[in-house]
Amino acid sequence: NAGVTQTPKFQVLKTGQSMTLQCAQDMNHEYMSWYRQDPGMGLRLIHYSVGAGITDQGEVPNGYNVSRSTTEDFPLRLLSAAPSQTSVYFCASSYLGQREKLFFGSGTQLSVL
Amino acid sequence: AQTVTQSQPEMSVQEAETVTLSCTYDTSESDYYLFWYKQPPSRQMILVIRQEAYKQQNATENRFSVNFQKAAKSFSLKISDSQLGDAAMYFCAYSRSNYGGSQGNLIFGKGTKLSVKP
Repeated sequence: NAGVTQTPKFQVLKTGQSMTLQCAQDMNHEYMSWYRQDPGMGLRLIHYSVGAGITDQGEVPNGYNVSRSTTEDFPLRLLSAAPSQTSVYFCASSYLGQREKLFFGSGTQLSVL
Repeated sequence: AQTVTQSQPEMSVQEAETVTLSCTYDTSESDYYLFWYKQPPSRQMILVIRQEAYKQQNATENRFSVNFQKAAKSFSLKISDSQLGDAAMYFCAYSRSNYGGSQGNLIFGKGTKLSVKP
């Protein structure tokens, strides 16, 4: 049972480059979400999804796009990376009726130069 | 909007001693969850303990317990018999409820870095 898998674990980008952070879960969870963690800021919600084809914005959505074409996958896209997007990104998932039992991925450390 | 405040950026405890981490929150909801997460240097987010607001009894998980004061909107974490492996960042978090839409999304405090001295 793999749980929540995030790839890559580390990434360095140049300003203006695009990339996709991958998140996959094998627990058939309806709810998936992306958080970013900055020093001294805790984790902040970027986007979330309550099922395939349904996405919504969190607290800090600017500069990020998401889509949810399958239950298993919830990729996070940076269309034009900026230094302000240097952060650690976490994906998390749960059953819709069990949001209190959230499973986190191991995170992606992203640096934008 | 709901907020979570952790007023102690750093704490230190001697091995085998007890330490309490503070957390306060602000909400107008009556039904919600509160959490403490541990983040060691591996950066994995590990759920330490969870409290349901409608339950008056404080949650306990082995050496970890909480003091939940609903009226005061306070949710402190007590670590007894501290061990070297307890050294980590600790985050307090809030979620409104299980049902629908944005409800259930976690709101985190800024964290407390706990050091354990041998």
